[in-house]
Amino acid sequence: GEDVEQSLFLSVREGDSSVINCTYTDSSSTYLYWYKQEPGAGLQLLTYIFSNMDMKQDQRLTVLLNKKDKHLSLRIADTQTGDSAIYFCAETRFNGSSNTGKLIFGQGTTLQVKP
Amino acid sequence: NAGVTQTPKFQVLKTGQSMTLQCAQDMNHNSMYWYRQDPGMGLRLIYYSASEGTTDKGEVPNGYNVSRLNKREFSLRLESAAPSQTSVYFCASSEALFGNQPQHFGDGTRLSIL
Repeated sequence: GEDVEQSLFLSVREGDSSVINCTYTDSSSTYLYWYKQEPGAGLQLLTYIFSNMDMKQDQRLTVLLNKKDKHLSLRIADTQTGDSAIYFCAETRFNGSSNTGKLIFGQGTTLQVKP
Repeated sequence: NAGVTQTPKFQVLKTGQSMTLQCAQDMNHNSMYWYRQDPGMGLRLIYYSASEGTTDKGEVPNGYNVSRLNKREFSLRLESAAPSQTSVYFCASSEALFGNQPQHFGDGTRLSIL
């Protein structure tokens, strides 16, 4: 199918690690993204990973990519209340014949961080 | 550093009214996009513009038109608003069309059609 799938809700305690999961469909996707959306705001790019990488770390964020299973995850270490937001994964899906592409978003995972 | 600016932030329309949503970016990006966000459905692409002078349909173009006025500005028009178009609309821009250049988003326009 066309869908990028994410679980809809995750609740963690402050200081714990959060892991947000995503499955995508197109094995030829070259870039996969994680965006964060705070209430009433637009989407903020958190990080992205190229398809020839397995892992990318950026401060408290770790992205893991399992291309065999088409599975992407975002781990947030030492989760803070300010991390409460909706997190979207997105894949770039190219149309080789027309040399165009599109960004397909998951439904978003709402992360709730309890004090 | 304004980034991507959308106006208005909120709007209420009656069914059948027309409206243009404005978007401007100051990052000298070539590509611009319009998305709509509905609960439980993520973001869906309405139209995009790979570069100044070109526009193309995305996933859900019906009921909308766009204009790439210049490199900075990309507007979205609803000719005859319908309740099904109640949504949050986001404009985005990127240096190049999709690919490895991330998209930068505006803060959205919350549109209600009564």
